[in-house]
Amino acid sequence: SAVISQKPSRDICQRGTSLTIQCQVDSQVTMMFWYRQQPGQSLTLIATANQGSEATYESGFVIDKFPISRPNLTFSTLTVSNMSPEDSSIYLCSVERDSYGYTFGSGTRLTVV
Amino acid sequence: GQQLNQSPQSMFIQEGEDVSMNCTSSSIFNTWLWYKQEPGEGPVLLIALYKAGELTSNGRLTAQFGITRKDSFLNISASIPSDVGIYFCAGQGAAGNNRKLIWGLGTSLAVNP
Repeated sequence: SAVISQKPSRDICQRGTSLTIQCQVDSQVTMMFWYRQQPGQSLTLIATANQGSEATYESGFVIDKFPISRPNLTFSTLTVSNMSPEDSSIYLCSVERDSYGYTFGSGTRLTVV
Repeated sequence: GQQLNQSPQSMFIQEGEDVSMNCTSSSIFNTWLWYKQEPGEGPVLLIALYKAGELTSNGRLTAQFGITRKDSFLNISASIPSDVGIYFCAGQGAAGNNRKLIWGLGTSLAVNP
């Protein structure tokens, strides 16, 4: 399956600031997915990032709050903007590989204070 | 957004016992996936099911794709302490927007040595 490197693994940020999370895949993939997992909860899809086009956001998530870049087929970033304590979550990137289902990075644990 | 009904929500068992958990949906899926998530990590794929009625094993784990395509179960035999974690089911439809993963809320498993 794909190897996904995600960083930072964790961060503590001041409210009102922004954090950019990076996701690097060891092979080219068409779509990359960004998820949020709030404490003790399941995974919620934020957006799907295709290379060369704007990301597609799910209901409840907007580009101004969660801008995404996808400059090539192996890399993507998610920025959490103007953070508040409610943004404290684990953020995960994921890719789909044929026959392997969806593979996830180890996540970024964000705490906003 | 849509979520699957996953039960039980949590289990606390003795080492050596068998475990069973299941997911049900109001929608038909083409794929059922079972993941395990350990603290500080992203979900890791355990078993993928692609055909109604399919029964697949991965070591001590066995999962089945329900014949109605609306449910799946995961069994763990002879549990060991390293089975501790949160188990998630996820379903996926056929095409387009239905290809997004729909997640269960997770089953938290604790194993008493």
